[in-house]
Amino acid sequence: EAQVTQNPRYLITVTGKKLTVTCSQNMNHEYMSWYRQDPGLGLRQIYYSMNVEVTDKGDVPEGYKVSRKEKRNFPLILESPSPNQTSLYFCASSRSSLDSDTQYFGPGTRLTVL
Amino acid sequence: LAKTTQPISMDSYEGQEVNITCSHNNIATNDYITWYQQFPSQGPRFIIQGYKTKVTNEVASLFIPADRKSSTLSLPRVSLSDTAVYYCLVGVGSGAGSYQLTFGKGTKLSVIP
Repeated sequence: EAQVTQNPRYLITVTGKKLTVTCSQNMNHEYMSWYRQDPGLGLRQIYYSMNVEVTDKGDVPEGYKVSRKEKRNFPLILESPSPNQTSLYFCASSRSSLDSDTQYFGPGTRLTVL
Repeated sequence: LAKTTQPISMDSYEGQEVNITCSHNNIATNDYITWYQQFPSQGPRFIIQGYKTKVTNEVASLFIPADRKSSTLSLPRVSLSDTAVYYCLVGVGSGAGSYQLTFGKGTKLSVIP
């Protein structure tokens, strides 16, 4: 089954404790991205990746890191989480970087930073 | 950077047609317009996409005027299960071979029995 998976689905952590949210897709997609969703603000893109070893900032990249060492995986790293990073995070992938290609979203990761 | 603007919320009775408009004044020549639907605690999913004029599929229609500065998602005869947030997405090229995608804030559609 074609899908985007994220782990963990729920995470509660404390300020400053490094964490990684994993994202994997099995569709051989080139384009992957991370979004955060906050009430009243909609979906905001954090980082995106055109292909392996190619990443770029989205609208809200501060406090986040990403890597794309393999085509299928695109982990989101919070080196020193802070309470303002409490949010619902979605990973997405698409066949290419063209906006004409459908974005496939993962189920989401709800992160709480205390 | 293209910015999209949508109404924050809309209410509709079951069986009515619903039209949600998205403004994207700075859309680029090569950008497509895509609409996604999101239910609570789920990731968004694709509904419809267009470049110009009118597109129709089994779920919705998308109307895009000639100047492409706006688009209207039309949902025919909505049911309670259409209650969701609807996002308008316009792609923006930030450089050769690089694309950042910008979602709007979404329109929360509530369908009333």
